[in-house]
Amino acid sequence: GIQVEQSPPDLILQEGANSTLRCNFSDSVNNLQWFHQNPWGQLINLFYIPSGTKQNGRLSATTVATERYSLLYISSSQTTDSGVYFCAVEETSGSRLTFGEGTQLTVNP
Amino acid sequence: NAGVMQNPRHLVRRRGQEARLRCSPMKGHSHVYWYRQLPEEGLKFMVYLQKENIIDESGMPKERFSAEFPKEGPSILRIQQVVRGDSAAYFCASSPSGSTYIYFGEGSWLTVV
Repeated sequence: GIQVEQSPPDLILQEGANSTLRCNFSDSVNNLQWFHQNPWGQLINLFYIPSGTKQNGRLSATTVATERYSLLYISSSQTTDSGVYFCAVEETSGSRLTFGEGTQLTVNP
Repeated sequence: NAGVMQNPRHLVRRRGQEARLRCSPMKGHSHVYWYRQLPEEGLKFMVYLQKENIIDESGMPKERFSAEFPKEGPSILRIQQVVRGDSAAYFCASSPSGSTYIYFGEGSWLTVV
């Protein structure tokens, strides 16, 4: 099956800093989503982005499908951004999302 | 418009008991997925169902685990004779069709003592 690798595994920032999270995948995909799992365990949809660039407030994402990677940008980070960020992909021959292992983000005040 | 509803949110079972987790998809969604998240790990696919059909159960353990999505009512994930290793968060997700944006519920946390 498809492999999904996220980097870095852990990231510690001071409030106000910017960051880039990366997701590499091993095969062509129909679907790519970014999720934020907050400290209470809730999974929050951030982006549905199989290709191209999208922005939502301080967050933006870019997927370059031909090169099999996606980037999540967080600008002016806040303590409420803390949690785990997951990338999940659906391969073209598949029917479900395969998740990466996540990036644990800690934003300190 | 209610989201994906899971219950119970927290469940404690003794080893050997049965656990039943329920999931009501978003209105208009006919595709349901179950994922398991072990402590400090990512989410692992278990099963994909449509109404009255199991489409893909390749991630489901062969024994003790079963899932259904009946014509009426919620999807059920059933774990028989639970063991400590079954302790995890179980997430349900739904979508209106395959290959589209999927929405997750808030999860059910199972603790086996």
